[in-house]
Amino acid sequence: SQQGEEDPQALSIQEGENATMNCSYKTSINNLQWYRQNSGRGLVHLILIRSNEREKHSGRLRVTLDTSKKSSSLLITASRAADTASYFCATDAGRGSTLGRLYFGRGTQLTVWP
Amino acid sequence: EAGVAQSPRYKIIEKRQSVAFWCNPISGHATLYWYQQILGQGPKLLIQFQNNGVVDDSQLPKDRFSAERLKGVDSTLKIQPAKLEDSAVYLCASSLGGWTMWADTQYFGPGTRLTVL
Repeated sequence: SQQGEEDPQALSIQEGENATMNCSYKTSINNLQWYRQNSGRGLVHLILIRSNEREKHSGRLRVTLDTSKKSSSLLITASRAADTASYFCATDAGRGSTLGRLYFGRGTQLTVWP
Repeated sequence: EAGVAQSPRYKIIEKRQSVAFWCNPISGHATLYWYQQILGQGPKLLIQFQNNGVVDDSQLPKDRFSAERLKGVDSTLKIQPAKLEDSAVYLCASSLGGWTMWADTQYFGPGTRLTVL
């Protein structure tokens, strides 16, 4: 399966600490995306990194991509209670796959305590 | 800009009944997706439309699920008859499509939580 897998499944930290989540996938990709889902809500796009990029920043978010290891990490710096949510990585399936189709992992549940 | 609209937000039915969900994507978005998200899992694509044509329905249980996107705008997803294992959140998403599809951002609606008793 192309589906990405996030690690850890659950992460619990204090406000102000950094949170790191990892994602591994199986086949070549064109891009990898991270999404956030608050309880009972739809998913919100956070960041997209292309296969020829190694690192990308957006505000307090930093994403890295290592295509040789087929892995990515999402770092949230100076976490806030409002960052409490599930975080999903999503990949396409590279050449030959349905254009635009994304495969989601099971997610990491992040809890940030005040 | 209005987001992706879905209705209803919640639905409770008994097994073997039928149910329909509605989605209105962001204006101008050519690609529309329906996902099923079972509790504790990530979203799984059921069907992907490009305008009013089906691009990918390989994961759609066609014996009981159907979807249409008339006129290439809003869409309905139907389940008939429902089974207990269909209890899940059904998410609709849309994206620009076209030449950007290889790196499209998907915009999700709030979802419909379906409970089958």
